[in-house]
Amino acid sequence: AQSVAQPEDQVNVAEGNPLTVKCTYSVSGNPYLFWYVQYPNRGLQFLLKYITGDNLVKGSYGFEAEFNKSQTSFHLKKPSALVSDSALYFCAVRDRTGFQKLVFGTGTRLLVSP
Amino acid sequence: DTEVTQTPKHLVMGMTNKKSLKCEQHMGHRAMYWYKQKAKKPPELMFVYSYEKLSINESVPSRFSPECPNSSLLNLHLHALQPEDSALYLCASSQLQSEAFFGQGTRLTVV
Repeated sequence: AQSVAQPEDQVNVAEGNPLTVKCTYSVSGNPYLFWYVQYPNRGLQFLLKYITGDNLVKGSYGFEAEFNKSQTSFHLKKPSALVSDSALYFCAVRDRTGFQKLVFGTGTRLLVSP
Repeated sequence: DTEVTQTPKHLVMGMTNKKSLKCEQHMGHRAMYWYKQKAKKPPELMFVYSYEKLSINESVPSRFSPECPNSSLLNLHLHALQPEDSALYLCASSQLQSEAFFGQGTRLTVV
């Protein structure tokens, strides 16, 4: 069964600094990987995905993520954080056999200080 | 249009009530999902419909009953819920293997 780990409950970064939110995955075979963001009392917004191809994926709002197969990681990055990026971030995975299941990590709270 | 619409936004119900949550998408997606999310926790998968047929039930109690009347609509019928069922209920849709788009959720409180 597929699973995702987000080792950090919270990441703190100053505005203007680069940010990284970590994600590692476990699936049989090659994964489909996703990042979502959730603001308080709202649904989840899709940020970006890795299906195949280039290991560096660019998404919405200046976010990008790097797929690393040898380390089974898919870390979310942004070169310059904004206060408005403060939110809850979830990494998610499908595997290519049980693809109907979209499984989420435990989430990482990002706090960007002015 | 990447919108999934859920109604109602908020619902308070007693433990003996029957209510329904509704979800609608017009993106032509053939997979639709119900998730339950408790505060500060990740969404937990409840049900998946694929081509309007129930394909995954994550051992959800029978007091939750999903229904997919057509390819655009997904309902979740609620009956005899418990206070611990209070949560944010999220609907999502996707092409089968791609990213899922989520609605804003229904905040359910069981009293």
